Amino acid sequence: SAVISQKPSRDICQRGTSLTIQCQVDSQVTMMFWYRQQPGQSLTLIATANQGSEATYESGFVIDKFPISRPNLTFSTLTVSNMSPEDSSIYLCSEVRGTDTQYFGPGTRLTVL
Amino acid sequence: QKEVEQNSGPLSVPEGAIASLNCTYSDRGSQSFFWYRQYSGKSPELIMFIYSNGDKEDGRFTAQLNKASQYVSLLIRDSQPSDSATYLCAVREGQNFVFGPGTRLSVLP
Repeated sequence: SAVISQKPSRDICQRGTSLTIQCQVDSQVTMMFWYRQQPGQSLTLIATANQGSEATYESGFVIDKFPISRPNLTFSTLTVSNMSPEDSSIYLCSEVRGTDTQYFGPGTRLTVL
Repeated sequence: QKEVEQNSGPLSVPEGAIASLNCTYSDRGSQSFFWYRQYSGKSPELIMFIYSNGDKEDGRFTAQLNKASQYVSLLIRDSQPSDSATYLCAVREGQNFVFGPGTRLSVLP
């Protein structure tokens, strides 16, 4: 299994501000992902965090709104910028080990007022 | 984007019964299929993966894959109240994973 930590675990933020979420994994991995899970919904992939290069964003997500850093093989951050209430969600990072085994972090529960 | 569909439920079964969860996917080229369990307020955890047509068993869980019908299912035998959770089907597309909406399972004591 994998040990993945995320900080903060939850936060309440004001509209128009930004929040940076940190994700730390316990061993070097090539693939890390960031997902959003809105209340009662499934997981939507935001982007793939690539080490040493820009993240690869999915349709509907842009770098200006969700900048991602991946400075090394064990750490990544996701920033939610200029937040609105529609950004209230759970944000999850994940890593893939071996071919297909994906492990998720505990999530960050974000509420935007 | 390719789609993964599941019945959202809730699916209610009595304790000890077999729970059957179904998933269909649209991309005929998909090769890897996954079932995750998500308890309320927790993150998803991988239960099983399956690559080949047929059945794959792991304890009380059996995954079934039919690529011709683009259908994957999860059977839970001897269901327990602790199995009550949302079950997410996921399909690998290239490097990414596409998740279905999930089926909420309730096992009644």
